[in-house]
Amino acid sequence: DARVTQTPRHKVTEMGQEVTMRCQPILGHNTVFWYRQTMMQGLELLAYFRNRAPLDDSGMPKDRFSAEMPDATLATLKIQPSEPRDSAVYFCASGTVGAGYGYTFGSGTRLTVV
Amino acid sequence: RKEVEQDPGPFNVPEGATVAFNCTYSNSASQSFFWYRQDCRKEPKLLMSVYSSGNEDGRFTAQLNRASQYISLLIRDSKLSDSATYLCVVNSGYSTLTFGKGTMLLVSP
Repeated sequence: DARVTQTPRHKVTEMGQEVTMRCQPILGHNTVFWYRQTMMQGLELLAYFRNRAPLDDSGMPKDRFSAEMPDATLATLKIQPSEPRDSAVYFCASGTVGAGYGYTFGSGTRLTVV
Repeated sequence: RKEVEQDPGPFNVPEGATVAFNCTYSNSASQSFFWYRQDCRKEPKLLMSVYSSGNEDGRFTAQLNRASQYISLLIRDSKLSDSATYLCVVNSGYSTLTFGKGTMLLVSP
């Protein structure tokens, strides 16, 4: 089965440190999403790319978050500097544009900022 | 009004019971609808798409009512393994997916 691969699975870091999360989407998928999940807010869309071009990052705090897709096999989400309120599970998902198609999620990066 | 709303539950049902979840969405222009399942500390996984004519997959039946802007999921003959959180998902434009916060189902022996 094709999978979306995310690294690291877990990350504990101190406030103020830079955090980089990586995602390898499924080969052939042209759309990549970054979501954040917390108990309070549920799943929130942070950013997404189509054919590697950023289409919407309005869900991200711009001053500290950045998302890039340097090539078709890698998407990154960076937080600099990290804050305790960034603690959450960050999911990457990929899919193909088209009505009726769902998307496949990676296993997530569980981030704890202390 | 939130884009996608669900009753958080939990729904506690015995094995073999039939249980139904509803979900409402606010964007009348939404085109695609899905149910995802999420197990504790795992990623969401696509359970089924929801079509205008309604669709069935084994014990699971999904319905869409565009006029009232709601989606439903019916689970028949509940199994212990059905215990999970069920997420209602709507394509809210540009093929982005908007998720409800989920409904928790607990199936007991």
